[in-house]
Amino acid sequence: DARVTQTPRHKVTEMGQEVTMRCQPILGHNTVFWYRQTMMQGLELLAYFRNRAPLDDSGMPKDRFSAEMPDATLATLKIQPSEPRDSAVYFCASGLVAGERGYTFGSGTRLTVV
Amino acid sequence: AQSVTQPDIHITVSEGASLELRCNYSYGATPYLFWYVQSPGQGLQLLLKYFSGDTLVQGIKGFEAEFKRSQSSFNLRKPSVHWSDAAEYFCAVGAGNAGNMLTFGGGTRLMVKP
Repeated sequence: DARVTQTPRHKVTEMGQEVTMRCQPILGHNTVFWYRQTMMQGLELLAYFRNRAPLDDSGMPKDRFSAEMPDATLATLKIQPSEPRDSAVYFCASGLVAGERGYTFGSGTRLTVV
Repeated sequence: AQSVTQPDIHITVSEGASLELRCNYSYGATPYLFWYVQSPGQGLQLLLKYFSGDTLVQGIKGFEAEFKRSQSSFNLRKPSVHWSDAAEYFCAVGAGNAGNMLTFGGGTRLMVKP
């Protein structure tokens, strides 16, 4: 089965450090999402891309978060500087236009900022 | 903007019993509707989806869901629950005019008693 690959699976970092999370979408998928999951807020959409172009990143704190797709096989989510409140599981998902087949999620990156 | 409500945060059923998880959505047009399941430490796996046509949709692992426009609901059902079904279940709505981004409900955690 095709998979969305996220790295790293776990990351512990100190407050103020830069964190970069990576996602390899399924080959051929042209839509990529970044979600954040916390106990308090549930699943929140941070950003999404269509054909590598950002369509919506209104869910991201712009002063510290940035999302990019340098090419069709890589999406990145960067936090600089990181804060304890950023501790969460970050999921990447990919799919096709219109999403008729649903979206496939990666296993997530569990981020802990101390 | 679309929204999803899952009224039950926790549900406990006995193994072999039937299951129904509730989902209510808010969206002005015909929505795309999804159910995902998340096991601990894992990403989200698509169980089933509805776009159009037959309002009763079949999914993987013996699950089904029924779209009821009049009630703005998309409840998930399974006739006989197995211990391996214990997980968290998320209902999601996708809107065509928003690039098909998914909005998730808060989730329902299912526990299965032996």
